[in-house]
Amino acid sequence: DVKVTQSSRYLVKRTGEKVFLECVQDMDHENMFWYRQDPGLGLRLIYFSYDVKMKEKGDIPEGYSVSREKKERFSLILESASTNQTSMYLCASSLFLGGAGQPQHFGDGTRLSIL
Amino acid sequence: GENVEQHPSTLSVQEGDSAVIKCTYSDSASNYFPWYKQELGKRPQLIIDIRSNVGEKKDQRIAVTLNKTAKHFSLHITETQPEDSAVYFCAATTPDTGRRALTFGSGTRLQVQP
Repeated sequence: DVKVTQSSRYLVKRTGEKVFLECVQDMDHENMFWYRQDPGLGLRLIYFSYDVKMKEKGDIPEGYSVSREKKERFSLILESASTNQTSMYLCASSLFLGGAGQPQHFGDGTRLSIL
Repeated sequence: GENVEQHPSTLSVQEGDSAVIKCTYSDSASNYFPWYKQELGKRPQLIIDIRSNVGEKKDQRIAVTLNKTAKHFSLHITETQPEDSAVYFCAATTPDTGRRALTFGSGTRLQVQP
């Protein structure tokens, strides 16, 4: 069974801090994703990565960056946290099989509060 | 890019009744349509998916239908039970390998009244 592990379930930080959210998957998946979940807005893609050191912007990348130094680990970075980044953050991973879409497997999420 | 709209945003049914959630998508090239269930405080979990070469797929009390011409797909839950209460998300993706990501609908909160 695929396991996607996010380092923290709850996190409280202050405005202006640099925040790191970590995600690890154990199934050798090529693709990894970071989503933000807000009520009424569904899941919105922040960034994704399809290989080590490769990254692509999603729909809402502003104020975020990512790092993928190893295949199993994908980090989301809030360079200077702001209150409007208070949200639930979900990490996911999936296989890459050419042009065929594949299920994404999610972590438990990190509820981040910026004070 | 792809846009997915989901309706209704909330749905309340009596136990034993059927529930239907509908989604429309904008990109006619989309070819994979998964549905996720998210219980309160838990991760989204895949419950069923369908590919564009299939019109309908069933798994026990859950079924998904796809109408490529109209660009919409629906989740059908029969004989609903209280444990079906959750938020359900539809999603779509295209074969564009440059993206590889799902575009999600905004979610439907289903409440099954005992």
